[in-house]
Amino acid sequence: EDQVTQSPEALRLQEGESSSLNCSYTVSGLRGLFWYRQDPGKGPEFLFTLYSAGEEKEKERLKATLTKKESFLHITAPKPEDSATYLCAVLNYKLSFGAGTTVTVRA
Amino acid sequence: EPEVTQTPSHQVTQMGQEVILRCVPISNHLYFYWYRQILGQKVEFLVSFYNNEISEKSEIFDDQFSVERPDGSNFTLKIRSTKLEDSAMYFCASRTAMNTEAFFGQGTRLTVV
Repeated sequence: EDQVTQSPEALRLQEGESSSLNCSYTVSGLRGLFWYRQDPGKGPEFLFTLYSAGEEKEKERLKATLTKKESFLHITAPKPEDSATYLCAVLNYKLSFGAGTTVTVRA
Repeated sequence: EPEVTQTPSHQVTQMGQEVILRCVPISNHLYFYWYRQILGQKVEFLVSFYNNEISEKSEIFDDQFSVERPDGSNFTLKIRSTKLEDSAMYFCASRTAMNTEAFFGQGTRLTVV
């Protein structure tokens, strides 16, 4: 069965303090690794898709990278509006989600 | 920008009652999904639907659940006899092709009392 483990569970950052979130995975046939952002009471919002080891994607202050066993989401100089839960998911025939990392950025 | 829309946003129902959750996927998408998220837990896969039939379903998706695409735009999830443990956020999602990103709706919060 596909397994996705995210760490840490929670991350409290000062505005401007860069950090990284980890997603380690075990999947029988990886068709893609996805990062989503989820705000409280809302649906997951798509951020990135990564398909192969070595691939990187960037969007504003976020950068996602992929190796054969894990993915990282780097947040550079975060702002309070980056506060959210960040979800990692792997695609086989379905998306299997990790439990998420809840990021809180203080001004 | 196209989006997945879900109605209602919140549904309260008595245990044992039937509920229908409704979704309008993005218009050119071909693959449709239902996921649920119990408060404080992971987003869990329920069912995938392609070419007017179920393509995969999880062990959660038992005989109490059914899905339909009654016309060219709507996609519904029916729970025949709700239980307390069915209380959760239910998300509809759609994608254009198998390996592309899925776009999620804002969810229906189902509360069974």
